[in-house]
Amino acid sequence: DAKTTQPTSMDCAEGRAANLPCNHSTISGNEYVYWYRQIHSQGPQYIIHGLKNNETNEMASLIITEDRKSSTLILPHATLRDTAVYYCIVRELLLPSGNTGKLIFGQGTTLQVKP
Amino acid sequence: EPEVTQTPSHQVTQMGQEVILRCVPISNHLYFYWYRQILGQKVEFLVSFYNNEISEKSEIFDDQFSVERPDGSNFTLKIRSTKLEDSAMYFCASSEYGTGGWYEQYFGPGTRLTVT
Repeated sequence: DAKTTQPTSMDCAEGRAANLPCNHSTISGNEYVYWYRQIHSQGPQYIIHGLKNNETNEMASLIITEDRKSSTLILPHATLRDTAVYYCIVRELLLPSGNTGKLIFGQGTTLQVKP
Repeated sequence: EPEVTQTPSHQVTQMGQEVILRCVPISNHLYFYWYRQILGQKVEFLVSFYNNEISEKSEIFDDQFSVERPDGSNFTLKIRSTKLEDSAMYFCASSEYGTGGWYEQYFGPGTRLTVT
C-alpha cells in the first residue's frame, strides 16, 4: 500500500501557484519523496524528488518539512496543461537487498486548473 | 529527450487469446518495469526485470503473465490466456541506477488492452 496521503482533488486558477500537499508520517530515514503526474491516462511523468532539503527544477519546487512527515509540491504558475493527477510517492533511493526500484502509486490528487 | 515507446497503442483481443505487449526502453537503462491501470483506478506495479530475470513481481503477476527481453532493445509482456479483468492500460517503464541511487523512471505512453 502507498505510504502517503493526499487530498483527492484540488482546483487552481490559471497563472496562480498550485500547492499540493502530501503526508508521509511513516517515512524512514533512507526514503525519498518523489512526485509524478499523469495527464489524462498518459504514462506517469517524473516531476521532482527530494530527501530533506527543498528542491527546485524547471517544472516545480518541493518543500519538505523539517521532520520530513509532510511535503508540498509547488507549481509556481499553473497552466491549463498542468491539469493532471499528481502522485506523491516515498521510495528508497539506494539498492539494499530487495529494493527493485518499483513505484507504489496511491490515488493521487486530481488538480484541475481553471481559466 | 529520450523516451520509452510501446506498441501497439491499442490492442483488442478475445477472452482466452494470447497477447504480447511490446516496449522499447531507453537505450542505456538496465532496469525495466511493467505497470497496469484499470480504468478509473490507480497505477499498479506488476513486475520488475533486471539482468535478464525477474527481480520482483506483484500478486497480480500470476502464471498467466511472463516477461522477456528477446533482444538488446525490446522488452515484452505476454498474457497467455486473457481474461475480461485483464482489460487495462499497461505501462512499461525503465530506469538506471548509479552511485547516487535510483534515477527517475521513464514511462511509455501505454498500451490499452481491451478483452472482449
